[in-house]
Amino acid sequence: QKEVEQNSGPLSVPEGAIASLNCTYSDRVSQSFFWYRQYSGKSPELIMSIYSNGDKEDGRFTAQLNKASQYVSLLIRDSQPSDSATYLCAVNRGYGGATNKLIFGTGTLLAVQP
Amino acid sequence: ETGVTQSPTHLIKTRGQQVTLRCSSQSGHNTVSWYQQALGQGPQFIFQYYREEENGRGNFPPRFSGLQFPNYSSELNVNALELDDSALYLCASSSARDTDTQYFGPGTRLTVL
Repeated sequence: QKEVEQNSGPLSVPEGAIASLNCTYSDRVSQSFFWYRQYSGKSPELIMSIYSNGDKEDGRFTAQLNKASQYVSLLIRDSQPSDSATYLCAVNRGYGGATNKLIFGTGTLLAVQP
Repeated sequence: ETGVTQSPTHLIKTRGQQVTLRCSSQSGHNTVSWYQQALGQGPQFIFQYYREEENGRGNFPPRFSGLQFPNYSSELNVNALELDDSALYLCASSSARDTDTQYFGPGTRLTVL
């Protein structure tokens, strides 16, 4: 079992729709979770961080965390063609004095159709 | 723009050669982490530097080594290059106040022929 799992997609949504991206993780004691957006040929760009159970909203983006189910999601409202990218879920393994290293999923490719 | 810079942007080497990649962290950030991203994969942690010392290492062989300088900039060195080392090499920096959150530079695309 991979430590962080994502559906590779592609996830295709029409412009203006809600895109829902999902991620599960295996290490129950993980404390911090991140979503990065990566355009083709570019480096990952931080979109959201979430630490507590529940929802966290930032503009058109909402991150959701359920530690009991070991599940993190990202909702993108009013999707735009410019949102078309690979979305990487990352879990920080820096607890108990361990190194703050990010463990990434393989990413979900989102395609927003005009 | 995160303020993290990397050089060079692209690099082509042949198998067996050695390479040095460079990273300047964002202003105020004292921790630098290096990741390798193969095509179609998520980034994989190589190692992290804090106060010029290696502060954790991923599952990479010793031919991957690094340095951090007093100004917090960093180098990644790879010896005896192999074809599988072809990847995007990413540097990420974080601050002492928020060690969890890492901001990535633009990366160096390494091609090994």
